[in-house]
Amino acid sequence: ELKVEQNPLFLSMQEGKNYTIYCNYSTTSDRLYWYRQDPGKSLESLFVLLSNGAVKQEGRLMASLDTKARLSTLHITAAVHDLSATYFCAVEEDDMRFGAGTRLTVKP
Amino acid sequence: NAGVTQTPKFRILKIGQSMTLQCTQDMNHNYMYWYRQDPGMGLKLIYYSVGAGITDKGEVPNGYNVSRSTTEDFPLRLELAAPSQTSVYFCASTDRRSGNTIYFGEGSWLTVV
Repeated sequence: ELKVEQNPLFLSMQEGKNYTIYCNYSTTSDRLYWYRQDPGKSLESLFVLLSNGAVKQEGRLMASLDTKARLSTLHITAAVHDLSATYFCAVEEDDMRFGAGTRLTVKP
Repeated sequence: NAGVTQTPKFRILKIGQSMTLQCTQDMNHNYMYWYRQDPGMGLKLIYYSVGAGITDKGEVPNGYNVSRSTTEDFPLRLELAAPSQTSVYFCASTDRRSGNTIYFGEGSWLTVV
């Protein structure tokens, strides 16, 4: 059964600092997604990673995929308060399974 | 430009009642999913469909049923509602083509009392 593990589950950062969220999964899938969710809202797509070595960047966020290690990372550069949210990774096979989410709080 | 539309947005059910959550997408997507999200938790897959007439169980299917008679619609049926089904339900769809993301509805907040 496909399992997706994210860590850390909670992350409190100072503005301006860098940090990485990790997403490990249990299968050989090469389709991985990152989403953002604000409280009380639906999920917003951030990145779609579809091959080994894929790297995508948008603003202060960069996502990468290593299918051999079954690992994806979401790197945050020079965090700002607006990045405070919960971030989910999801791995797709026939179905799609989500990690438990990383609740990020960026403090001034 | 509707995307994925879920109804109702909010509903309170009594224990033992039944109801259907509606989900419609206008993007001609073949894959559709139903998830539930309990407070402070991640998303758990209830059922999914890879095309009209085909449905499969996800991680937490007990207490739910689905059907997929058309490409556009993927209703989720709750039979004999229980307090454990209090949750936020999200419907999603995609066409699985390279580079395409999965589109989510706005969510349906369900409380069983």
